[in-house]
Amino acid sequence: DADVTQTPRNRITKTGKRIMLECSQTKGHDRMYWYRQDPGLGLRLIYYSFDVKDINKGEISDGYSVSRQAQAKFSLSLESAIPNQTALYFCATGQGTDTQYFGPGTRLTVL
Amino acid sequence: KQEVTQIPAALSVPEGENLVLNCSFTDSAIYNLQWFRQDPGKGLTSLLLIQSSQREQTSGRLNASLDKSSGRSTLYIAASQPGDSATYLCAVRTGANSKLTFGKGITLSVRP
Repeated sequence: DADVTQTPRNRITKTGKRIMLECSQTKGHDRMYWYRQDPGLGLRLIYYSFDVKDINKGEISDGYSVSRQAQAKFSLSLESAIPNQTALYFCATGQGTDTQYFGPGTRLTVL
Repeated sequence: KQEVTQIPAALSVPEGENLVLNCSFTDSAIYNLQWFRQDPGKGLTSLLLIQSSQREQTSGRLNASLDKSSGRSTLYIAASQPGDSATYLCAVRTGANSKLTFGKGITLSVRP
């Protein structure tokens, strides 16, 4: 089984809908991250969490919220999706400052 | 603000060639630097992690070097193979509790 899993893998939704992307890890890492990747813009950090009670905004947090339900679970919500949130979303985990391990990604399309 | 640049954006080489991928960063006070590989539509896979006190790291046919004073890192791939075709990203961590700043990546194509 994969160490970092993301659900769903693909999602098409409409403008204004609420969407939740989920991430689970089996590596026992303390830190979890949500990124989005857009062509020409690279990877940008949305939110990150250093432990269950520590949530921090990244560089592009507007329009997003997160929940760290347990050490192993970190979900990303779009309260009211808009077309420019169409992107590839990645969850990643890490222990301290060691390397980050990425999930397979969720391809989100907002119509 | 840390900025990471990878040039060129794309590179095509014949199989068997040794090649170097470049990464430059603007703030030399880094904590560590990582190289990742990304296959199309997939997640990132860590290749090498270099701490700020190190000059290089090696894994198989891959060798990454770090020169903090000049704000540069290189990823050397020996005897390239078609299976090496992917996008290679470097990422810099400025402090222990800071985020990773990613370059936009270099898309490598190795021709059989």
